[in-house]
Amino acid sequence: GIQVEQSPPDLILQEGANSTLRCNFSDSVNNLQWFHQNPWGQLINLFYIPSGTKQNGRLSATTVATERYSLLYISSSQTTDSGVYFCAVERRAGNMLTFGGGTRLMVKP
Amino acid sequence: DADVTQTPRNRITKTGKRIMLECSQTKGHDRMYWYRQDPGLGLRLIYYSFDVKDINKGEISDGYSVSRQAQAKFSLSLESAIPNQTALYFCATSDFPGRDGADTQYFGPGTRLTVL
Repeated sequence: GIQVEQSPPDLILQEGANSTLRCNFSDSVNNLQWFHQNPWGQLINLFYIPSGTKQNGRLSATTVATERYSLLYISSSQTTDSGVYFCAVERRAGNMLTFGGGTRLMVKP
Repeated sequence: DADVTQTPRNRITKTGKRIMLECSQTKGHDRMYWYRQDPGLGLRLIYYSFDVKDINKGEISDGYSVSRQAQAKFSLSLESAIPNQTALYFCATSDFPGRDGADTQYFGPGTRLTVL
């Protein structure tokens, strides 16, 4: 099956810092999503981004499908950004998501 | 997401017991999913359903069964629970095909299951 690798596995930031999270995948995909899992376990969909660039407030994401990677940018980080960020992909839209192992982010005040 | 609810939110049970986890959604989506998350890991797909008459096994279906009682309801059962089924279980729905053919999944709050 398709392999999804996320880096770094762990990240500690000071509040206000910027960061870039990376997701590499082993095959062409028609669906890529970024999720945030907060410290209480809730999973929130951040972006549906099989290609191109999207922005939502302090977060933005870019997927370069031809090179099989996606990046999630967090600017001016806040303590509420803490949690685990997951990338998930599908070979064909409407099929099954395969999740990466996640990046655990801690933002310190 | 309040549109996808799961019950119970926490459950402690003993080895060998039959357990049912329930999921309801008010999003009107046809597609529903059950995932399992083990500590420090990503989610793995257990079962999925593309409509009421369609049930499919996911990556790790052994030891689990599901029932799609209606478009809005999708239940997961552990026939005879064992300790290595201790995990966080998520239900999700999908609006596929959404705008521009998007397949965005929306997750419930999760059920924390402990099997002693």
